Amino acid sequence: GAGVSQSPSNKVTEKGKDVELRCDPISGHTALYWYRQSLGQGLEFLIYFQGNSAPDKSGLPSDRFSAERTGGSVSTLTIQRTQQEDSAVYLCASSPETENIQYFGAGTRLSVL
Amino acid sequence: LAKTTQPISMDSYEGQEVNITCSHNNIATNDYITWYQQFPSQGPRFIIQGYKTKVTNEVASLFIPADRKSSTLSLPRVSLSDTAVYYCLVAKGSQGNLIFGKGTKLSVKP
Repeated sequence: GAGVSQSPSNKVTEKGKDVELRCDPISGHTALYWYRQSLGQGLEFLIYFQGNSAPDKSGLPSDRFSAERTGGSVSTLTIQRTQQEDSAVYLCASSPETENIQYFGAGTRLSVL
Repeated sequence: LAKTTQPISMDSYEGQEVNITCSHNNIATNDYITWYQQFPSQGPRFIIQGYKTKVTNEVASLFIPADRKSSTLSLPRVSLSDTAVYYCLVAKGSQGNLIFGKGTKLSVKP
């Protein structure tokens, strides 16, 4: 079946603008994760959803970052008043209920000018 | 979540076997060891997962000693297309966030 889909694949925005990043997980996967990866770095965990609730928001770097998941499926990561340090690749992953193997999308490359 | 330590980079040549060792001294009883592969401009891709002893699939083998404080990912006869970053992770078997370090950047040369 289809894998994890993220949109847009690239986003260029101006400092101070809000952006929304979308993730469409694999059908039937109950858990959804957001990570951030800066150039040449490992992945930084942001938030984890189990169904529509977020039991772990510990990775969100500031209150400018928020995320929601509706219908146990699509998730949106919103960054308000973007800053240049927000520039990174934002990766989404999903996993089925019975395992902790995560399936990743190709990511959204965010550039804040 | 147990911390992992792995080499920052490794070089190899086509056709060679590559072994990447990861140490995880503080692994918990219910933790699994998982390896992911990441190519440039792509998200990580699951390679293999194990709990103890040896696991083999069509891509790689994973060797885990009895004390589980380390693990070795073995890639047989690598090709240029195996050039990627390889991440070793330790996490419980159920759903939850994963801690990715910087991984091992493998460069395969002709």
